[in-house]
Amino acid sequence: DAGVIQSPRHEVTEMGQEVTLRCKPISGHDYLFWYRQTMMRGLELLIYFNNNVPIDDSGMPEDRFSAKMPNASFSTLKIQPSEPRDSAVYFCASSAHGSLAYEQYFGPGTRLTVT
Amino acid sequence: KQEVTQIPAALSVPEGENLVLNCSFTDSAIYNLQWFRQDPGKGLTSLLLIQSSQREQTSGRLNASLDKSSGRSTLYIAASQPGDSATYLCAARDTGRRALTFGSGTRLQVQP
Repeated sequence: DAGVIQSPRHEVTEMGQEVTLRCKPISGHDYLFWYRQTMMRGLELLIYFNNNVPIDDSGMPEDRFSAKMPNASFSTLKIQPSEPRDSAVYFCASSAHGSLAYEQYFGPGTRLTVT
Repeated sequence: KQEVTQIPAALSVPEGENLVLNCSFTDSAIYNLQWFRQDPGKGLTSLLLIQSSQREQTSGRLNASLDKSSGRSTLYIAASQPGDSATYLCAARDTGRRALTFGSGTRLQVQP
């Protein structure tokens, strides 16, 4: 399996622009997670889905952030409008309910820079 | 709310030394605890996962232990190598939750 795939790997945009990050989970995994990593706050959960349904979005910073999972193999995280404080590395992870351990597998991340 | 702490924040050791990385968590009602490795500019690689019913897990030169009652986990690295240089993160999954709560990591440098 190719693992969790994220695109783009790097994104540089100007303040006020819309940014869309993409994630393809491991085939057969029914949980998908979006995390954000910054120097100040470390790794934090933004939102997670189970069978394409958002379960916990309490970590989403504000209304500028939205996430969707239209099918089992694709999810997006959108920021509109973007701000410099959104600069971070955004990770997507997936896990399988059938796995006793619910071990999470992470993608390579998208490094977002908002100028 | 679960809080995970890792000490030390950074560690530098000479090659060949055995070392221990520490992780503590405030809520003992965890389902499991996972140790990850992160190389600069890269994603997270899962190293070991310990279920709440287990005391330790081993993989090669790595051994992770878990003491729920004291809220602590340790990652033991035997005979360290320069290739072990990376940031090591521990993350707790609480019972009834699916998401992980991460520590801030220990940045390890193994000197050749």
